[in-house]
Amino acid sequence: AQKVTQAQTEISVVEKEDVTLDCVYETRDTTYYLFWYKQPPSGELVFLIRRNSFDEQNEISGRYSWNFQKSTSSFNFTITASQVVDSAVYFCALSEAQAGKSTFGDGTTLTVKP
Amino acid sequence: EAGVAQSPRYKIIEKRQSVAFWCNPISGHATLYWYQQILGQGPKLLIQFQNNGVVDDSQLPKDRFSAERLKGVDSTLKIQPAKLEDSAVYLCASRQETGTGGSEQYFGPGTRLTVT
Repeated sequence: AQKVTQAQTEISVVEKEDVTLDCVYETRDTTYYLFWYKQPPSGELVFLIRRNSFDEQNEISGRYSWNFQKSTSSFNFTITASQVVDSAVYFCALSEAQAGKSTFGDGTTLTVKP
Repeated sequence: EAGVAQSPRYKIIEKRQSVAFWCNPISGHATLYWYQQILGQGPKLLIQFQNNGVVDDSQLPKDRFSAERLKGVDSTLKIQPAKLEDSAVYLCASRQETGTGGSEQYFGPGTRLTVT
């Protein structure tokens, strides 16, 4: 069975600080996909980033970057120079390679104060 | 491109009543998901369709929940009879089928159900 754990329930930072959201997952599959989604106060989940299990190259996209380490089953997400608009609940999700069945963590609530 | 549409946005019912939610996915998206999101938790998959076939419904409480996706487009999720613990946001999501699970899901705004 798949499992996603986001140990940080809430994080509070001051604007312009960098913040890292942690995600640890469990799966028996050798091929899978990992995602981060953002759920702003309006409620609609929005896709942010994706990584497949056979590519451990870490990337940067604008203010977002991610660190995927298969050896520790972790997929951490960093926001650089945080802004007030980044305040939201962030979910890490694990998806099966074939059918796309997804398991979500319980989310980390990020509050960015001005 | 229109997003995932859901209705109603809010629903308040008494326990033991019935309720139905509707979802219209993004055009061309073969895969459709229904999730239950209880306050303070992540979305929990209830059922996954590919076209009009069920891929996974292992976490759907089949004694009270049912879902269908006729013609492989719109979908409805029904609860009959509702219990207090069914109070949650019901999310619909769709995904473009790429032959793998690697494409992202697009979520609707959700239906907030309150059972009193």
